[in-house]
Amino acid sequence: DAGVIQSPRHEVTEMGQEVTLRCKPISGHNSLFWYRQTMMRGLELLIYFNNNVPIDDSGMPEDRFSAKMPNASFSTLKIQPSEPRDSAVYFCASSRRTDGYTFGSGTRLTVV
Amino acid sequence: DAKTTQPTSMDCAEGRAANLPCNHSTISGNEYVYWYRQIHSQGPQYIIHGLKNNETNEMASLIITEDRKSSTLILPHATLRDTAVYYCIVRGRDDKIIFGKGTRLHILP
Repeated sequence: DAGVIQSPRHEVTEMGQEVTLRCKPISGHNSLFWYRQTMMRGLELLIYFNNNVPIDDSGMPEDRFSAKMPNASFSTLKIQPSEPRDSAVYFCASSRRTDGYTFGSGTRLTVV
Repeated sequence: DAKTTQPTSMDCAEGRAANLPCNHSTISGNEYVYWYRQIHSQGPQYIIHGLKNNETNEMASLIITEDRKSSTLILPHATLRDTAVYYCIVRGRDDKIIFGKGTRLHILP
């Protein structure tokens, strides 16, 4: 079991550029979550999917953020255009219903 | 909003039991208590969860009071690798997990 796989591990981009973060959940897990972590705000839930369907995107900060889950084994989080305040560590997690979540190693995004 | 209250930080001597408290006085009957931890620069790691009975696994024990308004996570023999932020979370069966600020546990050599 390779766990939840996120890519890239690190991303440095210029303000205004599009950023795409990727996540491969654990096979058989039917829920997928995107979190963002900063020193100021801690861990924030951005959006989550059940069976590839977005259930709650109330944590998505603004329209510049979008997430998709085209199939059970892949999800993306896109920021367009990126801004310096988007700099954070972005985590993807997956689970089966009431099981504990398994988190990926995160993507550290720096927008300059 | 997080539904739990935890101390900001705690110290524990290496080899001793670490007891991390959590208050969740507004917990409802169908909500579970979950514990996660986050070691520096890593993603959060699931530790244990319970509804009303005490639970034990290879990592820790979870003691939930009879009125379910508080709980304690016990790491029986703390090591330096247990230094982390520990999050206590209350969650309904199909609810999302909302993280609070957690307790920063320092294991002292």
